[in-house]
Amino acid sequence: AQSVTQPDIHITVSEGASLELRCNYSYGATPYLFWYVQSPGQGLQLLLKYFSGDTLVQGIKGFEAEFKRSQSSFNLRKPSVHWSDAAEYFCAVVPTGAGSYQLTFGKGTKLSVIP
Amino acid sequence: KAGVTQTPRYLIKTRGQQVTLSCSPISGHRSVSWYQQTPGQGLQFLFEYFSETQRNKGNFPGRFSGRQFSNSRSEMNVSTLELGDSALYLCASSLTLIGAGANVLTFGAGSRLTVL
Repeated sequence: AQSVTQPDIHITVSEGASLELRCNYSYGATPYLFWYVQSPGQGLQLLLKYFSGDTLVQGIKGFEAEFKRSQSSFNLRKPSVHWSDAAEYFCAVVPTGAGSYQLTFGKGTKLSVIP
Repeated sequence: KAGVTQTPRYLIKTRGQQVTLSCSPISGHRSVSWYQQTPGQGLQFLFEYFSETQRNKGNFPGRFSGRQFSNSRSEMNVSTLELGDSALYLCASSLTLIGAGANVLTFGAGSRLTVL
């Protein structure tokens, strides 16, 4: 079955430390890939997206993600975390090709930042 | 450029009542999709509207319905509310249909529904 997996429910890092949030997908063909961030009580904000081309994509707020076809992964990274990055992060995918589709989300990873 | 606007932001209803939520998309966006977010189930797709027609529907009962107007604004309705309908309902707009090319969804702040 098609799915999106974020294996880490909750991650805690110290401010200034590096961060990597994992995302794996299970689809027949490479889907479109997204990372969204949600602060408490807010909607979802797009961090970055991958449609095709360069497998390392840059996003807002200093985030980047790398698409690895062989591992069906799209991990999110940030070299130095700020306290304001504390939020919940969602990986999402849309299948490619003809037909009607939906944006399918992983369960999310909650990030806590220790000052 | 104004973002996606959802109203109301918060509302409280009792079981058995019905509720209507509104979503105004970004100007020029023709697709509106709706999602339900709960702590247990996460983010789940409800439906997508494009050019006033429902194009895709998630796995929700018929109590959940929606519509889209000629100006692309959309409403969703939940009838005969149940306690389990308590959730954050998110609306997203995009230029075209989800999956129809490199298309990005922009989300609103959501409508928080509490059913007592």
